[in-house]
Amino acid sequence: EVQLVESGGGLVKPGESLRLSCAASGFTFTSHTINWVRQAPGKGLEWVAFIGSIYSHISYADSVKGRFTISRDNAKNSVYLQMTYLRAEDTAVYYCVRDRASVSFDYWGQGTLVTVSS
Amino acid sequence: QSVLTQPPSASGTPGQRVTISCSGSNSNIGRNTVNWYQHLPGTAPKLVIYSNNQWPSGVPDRFSGSKSGTSASLAISGLQSEDEADYYCASWDDSLNVVLFGGGTKLSVL
Repeated sequence: EVQLVESGGGLVKPGESLRLSCAASGFTFTSHTINWVRQAPGKGLEWVAFIGSIYSHISYADSVKGRFTISRDNAKNSVYLQMTYLRAEDTAVYYCVRDRASVSFDYWGQGTLVTVSS
Repeated sequence: QSVLTQPPSASGTPGQRVTISCSGSNSNIGRNTVNWYQHLPGTAPKLVIYSNNQWPSGVPDRFSGSKSGTSASLAISGLQSEDEADYYCASWDDSLNVVLFGGGTKLSVL
């Protein structure tokens, strides 16, 4: 069974940092691009970043570029999202998502809530 | 404001057929495939259509997708109360090099 389990969410102040983790199981991890997608309260889905099975293939949404860093550890079947200089508008549920192919996201984690507030 | 434009709401009665549109441009829908997601509050989104018109395993064929030029549509026939959810289209954008989601359409089953 494919599983994606996020962790690391919580309450932080503006300007602080947080690291999200995503533990994957039930599939050949090295064969898939992994994404982070978020949903702010009362808003729609927003793609945040992806990292390909080839480490060099990385992309970010403009809203997080320069502040967030995505990485993966294939030995641990894990993906990470290092978030720095957090803003109130980064408050959202963050989902770890598997890409089956051509940015079609077939498996989603249950999400982890990040709240940025003073 | 999303680059992929969806109507904010749609509605239908049980048994009816409803269509949700998604309008984009040459750099996204015009050159890439469209995927559709169903999102119920408090749950993880679910892929219901990929590659414009393909069904993931377990998705009923009441759901169908199509694409023409820079627009795409999701159709749900034989509407059921369990279909009440938010629906999002998504596509890759070659110019922005990002994944784009539409703003979402809230489907109500009356």
